Amino acid sequence: AQSVTQLDSQVPVFEEAPVELRCNYSSSVSVYLFWYVQYPNQGLQLLLKYLSGSTLVKGINGFEAEFNKSQTSFHLRKPSVHISDTAEYFCAVSFAPYNQGGKLIFGQGTELSVKP
Amino acid sequence: DAGITQSPRYKITETGRQVTLMCHQTWSHSYMFWYRQDLGHGLRLIYYSAAADITDKGEVPDGYVVSRSKTENFPLTLESATRSQTSVYFCASSTSRGNTEAFFGQGTRLTVV
Repeated sequence: AQSVTQLDSQVPVFEEAPVELRCNYSSSVSVYLFWYVQYPNQGLQLLLKYLSGSTLVKGINGFEAEFNKSQTSFHLRKPSVHISDTAEYFCAVSFAPYNQGGKLIFGQGTELSVKP
Repeated sequence: DAGITQSPRYKITETGRQVTLMCHQTWSHSYMFWYRQDLGHGLRLIYYSAAADITDKGEVPDGYVVSRSKTENFPLTLESATRSQTSVYFCASSTSRGNTEAFFGQGTRLTVV
């Protein structure tokens, strides 16, 4: 069965420190990968996506993610976080044959808490 | 306004009542989705629609009904609400291409008492 696992439910970090949010997926077919961010009482906003090509993907707000096919991972990183990055982050996967629009399977979410 | 809007934003209802959550998008996206968000589960797909009059079940469809008579609207109905349906509901839309992202509404927080 296809699944997505975010390995950390909560990640506390101090301002200006680096952060990595981990995501692993289980699939025997090819995938498209996404990271979304959800600020309090808001909907989800796309941070970045991997479709093909370079395995290092850059997104908005200084975030980047690296696709590792052998480890079936898509970890999100930021070298220096700000208070404003405090939010819930979701990893999501679209599985081949990709004939169902933006239908996604989501991970459980990681709550990033940036402290001054 | 352009985009995807959900209404109401907040709803409290009693067990056994029927409630409908509305979703409207202005992009003419062919695909629309309903997800529910629960702590520890992330977002789970309830129903989705590929076009007007075409709908299909997602991961957790029991207790829900959808319809799509117009491309821009995708209402979600809880026929007889239960406490386990207390959740935050998100509507999303996308084009038919699989390499596109889904665009999300602001969510509806539903409490069933």
